[in-house]
Amino acid sequence: GAGVSQSPSNKVTEKGKDVELRCDPISGHTALYWYRQSLGQGLEFLIYFQGNSAPDKSGLPSDRFSAERTGGSVSTLTIQRTQQEDSAVYLCASSLGIINEKLFFGSGTQLSVL
Amino acid sequence: KQEVTQIPAALSVPEGENLVLNCSFTDSAIYNLQWFRQDPGKGLTSLLLIQSSQREQTSGRLNASLDKSSGRSTLYIAASQPGDSATYLCAVRGNNFNKFYFGSGTKLNVKP
Repeated sequence: GAGVSQSPSNKVTEKGKDVELRCDPISGHTALYWYRQSLGQGLEFLIYFQGNSAPDKSGLPSDRFSAERTGGSVSTLTIQRTQQEDSAVYLCASSLGIINEKLFFGSGTQLSVL
Repeated sequence: KQEVTQIPAALSVPEGENLVLNCSFTDSAIYNLQWFRQDPGKGLTSLLLIQSSQREQTSGRLNASLDKSSGRSTLYIAASQPGDSATYLCAVRGNNFNKFYFGSGTKLNVKP
């Protein structure tokens, strides 16, 4: 695609429900990141995928969060048993990796947990 | 842990002014630094990428400099326009190669 695509753009869920957020990176980009942006806060790193290497999960805040990247392309971030503090904008970014690390961001998913 | 600070948090200037946004980081062992702009409700757009071996990068009215030893970068915007109004964020890539550390941003308002 022309850019990084994220879906849904908005998600409202009830506390305790599971949610899945999707990211479709730019074709050919080997690096994929998930970040979280809370209101008035900076961007918080969640997880990083690079090619076929094991992902860097060091930013995931709890074991309720998980992510996968299938076929080196589309990525899904799953949050189980959502809590109100999970409410934030979840941003996905991709890059060519070590060749060129200019990051291209999607428009994000606004998650609201009621 | 790398800490990235941006000053000021907000800035309001009249159209036409030249301005400087500041970014400082605590660990000078960086791989590269990027400046982004973020418009309300949108994702981030990369403006300039400076490798650790470079001192500056230019794109149009934008010039970013990097002083790695002092842990500082500046983004210079010449002849500001109302369309430049946005939040500007800087991010440094640590030498662990796995993440970018972001500042909290400077919210810029350029008044017509």
